[in-house]
Amino acid sequence: QQPVQSPQAVILREGEDAVINCSSSKALYSVHWYRQKHGEAPVFLMILLKGGEQKGHDKISASFNEKKQQSSLYLTASQLSYSGTYFCGTGFYTGGFKTIFGAGTRLFVKA
Amino acid sequence: DTEVTQTPKHLVMGMTNKKSLKCEQHMGHRAMYWYKQKAKKPPELMFVYSYEKLSINESVPSRFSPECPNSSLLNLHLHALQPEDSALYLCASSQEPAGPSTGELFFGEGSRLTVL
Repeated sequence: QQPVQSPQAVILREGEDAVINCSSSKALYSVHWYRQKHGEAPVFLMILLKGGEQKGHDKISASFNEKKQQSSLYLTASQLSYSGTYFCGTGFYTGGFKTIFGAGTRLFVKA
Repeated sequence: DTEVTQTPKHLVMGMTNKKSLKCEQHMGHRAMYWYKQKAKKPPELMFVYSYEKLSINESVPSRFSPECPNSSLLNLHLHALQPEDSALYLCASSQEPAGPSTGELFFGEGSRLTVL
């Protein structure tokens, strides 16, 4: 049930764009994106609930294609502060609410 | 106050020790979670408490014993751990236990556990 993320790692120069993909072999009811900087706790970025939903947060946005069971996170004009590991999570309710995370995508932005 | 506070930040224990990790939140959240994270791996769900009741146990060994004394506090009692249990233990909370729209997790900074 763990979602699959790609790529595993990305190295960017400041100002470049990146796309991180998240897919699942099972139906996705919601997709959650988090960023974790080294030595810190994961921080919530956004939740996508419906197929076709798109959200934006500063220059970070995401889309959710329910039929294809996948979501993509778009980082535009990357900044040094974007460096970290990005996790997508699939959420579902089973007596309690579970969020299962993908393996993560390590993003490094250099000057 | 939008924090999840975990103590201690670092813990070293022997395999015969008994210790506890503590987590506190004052956001009025009714769901609390324990996650375990190994280096370069994603957080792995261990337990979920919904309205102070254990609702999910992800087949965690009994040497880990969770406790939720009230809606603001979550403990993880540790006993007879193994060296492979060394990891970062993250506590998280969310507004309500049910429904994806309220599934945003607020994480504490974690307790880094080393078992010798």
